[in-house]
Amino acid sequence: QVQLQESGPGLVRPSETLSLTCSVSGGSIRTLYWNWIRQPVGKGLEWIGRIHPSGSSNHNPSLNSRVTMSVDASTNKVFLDLRSVTAADTALYYCARGQEASGFDYWGQGTLVTVSS
Amino acid sequence: SYEVTQPLSVSVALGQTARITCGGSNIGSKDLHWYQQRPGQAPVLVIYRNTNRPSGIPERFSGSNSGNTATLTITGAQAGDEADFFCQVWDNSIAFFGTGTKVTVL
Repeated sequence: QVQLQESGPGLVRPSETLSLTCSVSGGSIRTLYWNWIRQPVGKGLEWIGRIHPSGSSNHNPSLNSRVTMSVDASTNKVFLDLRSVTAADTALYYCARGQEASGFDYWGQGTLVTVSS
Repeated sequence: SYEVTQPLSVSVALGQTARITCGGSNIGSKDLHWYQQRPGQAPVLVIYRNTNRPSGIPERFSGSNSGNTATLTITGAQAGDEADFFCQVWDNSIAFFGTGTKVTVL
């Protein structure tokens, strides 16, 4: 059974970089895409972007290229950096496995990130 | 950008049928997925590629997708089905979620 676990600081100051890690267990990270999705408390889901271990990636244009994602297949970890954060980036951040035909079939439990000074 | 719309809420009597719609331009031409999110929990995939149920998802969940509307049907709704439901599609390698529908079982 594939399991995903997000980790990172719960508090980030405005204008700084939000950095999160997704640790994957129970399966290989070497295939499929790994995605970041966020959800402001009480609101809907927003896709941030995805990365494939080959290096191929896509991100949500609404984030204006503030996003960098990477994969370390040797440690089964996926990383997210979101630069120049504002209060609007406060949300529950999820990592999830999936791509076009499969949907997001495995999700982490999410990690809450608050942007505040 | 691709816009995906859902009704804000749907109510259904216990044991009856709930239908949740998901609208978008020519959405029937896309692979569409549905997620259930119970309060305080991560979303769970309940339908993938329009009509397919992942292992462990009850048969009372079914999906269809044609034209400009996709529909998630819960046949014989249970109290435990109360949740938010989101549809999701891909458009030019970008994922878009619907606005979400809160399902209340009366």
